[in-house]
Amino acid sequence: DSGVTQTPKHLITATGQRVTLRCSPRSGDLSVYWYQQSLDQGLQFLIQYYNGEERAKGNILERFSAQQFPDLHSELNLSSLELGDSALYFCASSAKEENTIYFGEGSWLTVV
Amino acid sequence: GQNIDQPTEMTATEGAIVQINCTYQTSGFNGLFWYQQHAGEAPTFLSYNVLDGLEEKGRFSSFLSRSKGYSYLLLKELQMKDSASYLCAVKKFSGGYNKLIFGAGTRLAVHP
Repeated sequence: DSGVTQTPKHLITATGQRVTLRCSPRSGDLSVYWYQQSLDQGLQFLIQYYNGEERAKGNILERFSAQQFPDLHSELNLSSLELGDSALYFCASSAKEENTIYFGEGSWLTVV
Repeated sequence: GQNIDQPTEMTATEGAIVQINCTYQTSGFNGLFWYQQHAGEAPTFLSYNVLDGLEEKGRFSSFLSRSKGYSYLLLKELQMKDSASYLCAVKKFSGGYNKLIFGAGTRLAVHP
């Protein structure tokens, strides 16, 4: 158990819909990262937050947005969903030093 | 930009030794991670190198040469459970913060 908690674990939704994925980082970790992993693909960096502020942006679509709240949990919002958005979405967290990044179990999103 | 190259697939025999190479080209290099990922599961942290040299941790060792843009992960006394994807990830410092970029991963199959 990495200490990073993600919900929901599985989600099936229709095209055009909107979903929210939730992440609670490890206790004490200020940085939260979101990654997308499509079937048999590598991890694609989406976005990073540090202590509530956006730190870095990767290949995140405009239909996607995220935020980190004062209690440090984070949410990834995916809207106008398309079939190609079906993937495993990972949240990860790290301490300020960012020497080790720990991943949650992921949220499986299936768009039908 | 940045390039991270790893072999796509490797096979090895139980009890043997295997070396998984990773080469990278990036500005702002600030460290390299190795993660193990079983299919459909979260990546788990294996090692972190920021200085040149070899880091040994049980059956797994990781080596880094910053001047050559090269790292390898060495797995000894292979076990069937070591069949997984191994992800090389480069920490890149840019714009005042660190970003973690993953390679596509190497799928290792361990045979009896």
